[in-house]
Amino acid sequence: SQKIEQNSEALNIQEGKTATLTCNYTNYSPAYLQWYRQDPGRGPVFLLLIRENEKEKRKERLKVTFDTTLKQSLFHITASQPADSATYLCAPYTGRRALTFGSGTRLQVQP
Amino acid sequence: EPEVTQTPSHQVTQMGQEVILRCVPISNHLYFYWYRQILGQKVEFLVSFYNNEISEKSEIFDDQFSVERPDGSNFTLKIRSTKLEDSAMYFCASTGTGGTGELFFGEGSRLTVL
Repeated sequence: SQKIEQNSEALNIQEGKTATLTCNYTNYSPAYLQWYRQDPGRGPVFLLLIRENEKEKRKERLKVTFDTTLKQSLFHITASQPADSATYLCAPYTGRRALTFGSGTRLQVQP
Repeated sequence: EPEVTQTPSHQVTQMGQEVILRCVPISNHLYFYWYRQILGQKVEFLVSFYNNEISEKSEIFDDQFSVERPDGSNFTLKIRSTKLEDSAMYFCASTGTGGTGELFFGEGSRLTVL
């Protein structure tokens, strides 16, 4: 069956450091890998996506990598700030079925 | 910036009552979705809707649930006879036709079933 795995344990880092979050998936052949941010009690917000033929994508302080051989995406936030504290969700998108999400990794950036 | 709006933001109901949650998707979007999130759990897909019909539904979306686009702007989720386990945040989302599938979510409707 299809599975999306994200670190269930919270990631605690100091302000200014780089946060790295992992998303592994099985039994998917995604055309895109999407990342969302969710704050408590609020709807997920789309951040960025990476295509299957891209190795890396950047947007401001965010960087995403996508390794279709390893079936893994890494999400990096550089120069992290307390305002980056949130839960980050990954979602492999095949284009054939509705988007399903991983359980998310909660990031806590300490000032 | 266009946004998805949902009402009500919070609804409390008695078990067995019918509930209708409303959504206004982004105006030029064609694909509409409902997701739910039980407290402390993941965001789960319920149903997708395109061209005035359900295009996909999950196991959660049983006969107690229905969706409708009653006019050109609203998209509703009805739960016919609520159960305690229906207590959750319900998120509406929409997407356009760009093909990359990124979803735009509303702020959610919190449903509490007593």
